[in-house]
Amino acid sequence: GQNIDQPTEMTATEGAIVQINCTYQTSGFNGLFWYQQHAGEAPTFLSYNVLDGLEEKGRFSSFLSRSKGYSYLLLKELQMKDSASYLCAVSLRDGGSQGNLIFGKGTKLSVKP
Amino acid sequence: DSGVTQTPKHLITATGQRVTLRCSPRSGDLSVYWYQQSLDQGLQFLIQYYNGEERAKGNILERFSAQQFPDLHSELNLSSLELGDSALYFCASSVAPGYYGYTFGSGTRLTVV
Repeated sequence: GQNIDQPTEMTATEGAIVQINCTYQTSGFNGLFWYQQHAGEAPTFLSYNVLDGLEEKGRFSSFLSRSKGYSYLLLKELQMKDSASYLCAVSLRDGGSQGNLIFGKGTKLSVKP
Repeated sequence: DSGVTQTPKHLITATGQRVTLRCSPRSGDLSVYWYQQSLDQGLQFLIQYYNGEERAKGNILERFSAQQFPDLHSELNLSSLELGDSALYFCASSVAPGYYGYTFGSGTRLTVV
């Protein structure tokens, strides 16, 4: 089966740094994605990790450890507009499921002044 | 504009009715994916098509069906609607299964009353 866990909610202060963790257990692993989703809107792509290590993209960074089934998204210099849900998603590798993204339930981040 | 077009944006219908949601993928994308997102739930994978053929099925109810047409647009048909079917339905597309992530449409919000 597929299982992706991430915290339900987090709160942080404007200008601070926040780390959102994601652990996964899936059959067949191609890579891990992070998406941002504002309420009622479409998810938008943030980052993709296929190899172990850190990928940095401006204020956002994402880390992957394949052996531990673990990833995190790091958001720096938080802004009010970063208040959103952050979705961790695993890209499956095997057979007919290849390319499918299985999503965690998302972490709702609230940024306070 | 992500390039993935979903219509209609909003739909209100009564229990027991049937509706059709439409999705036009981004130009050049051959794969289409349908997801359901209920209140406070994660994105649940429903079904995947690639170049007109069904590739994978997720948690799709028997009352739901889909197809991808020769021009690559896709339709999701929901019948015998129940209150619990009220949700956001997202379509996403990618060049091919396993390719670098998805691009999501803006979704169809279905309300069953």
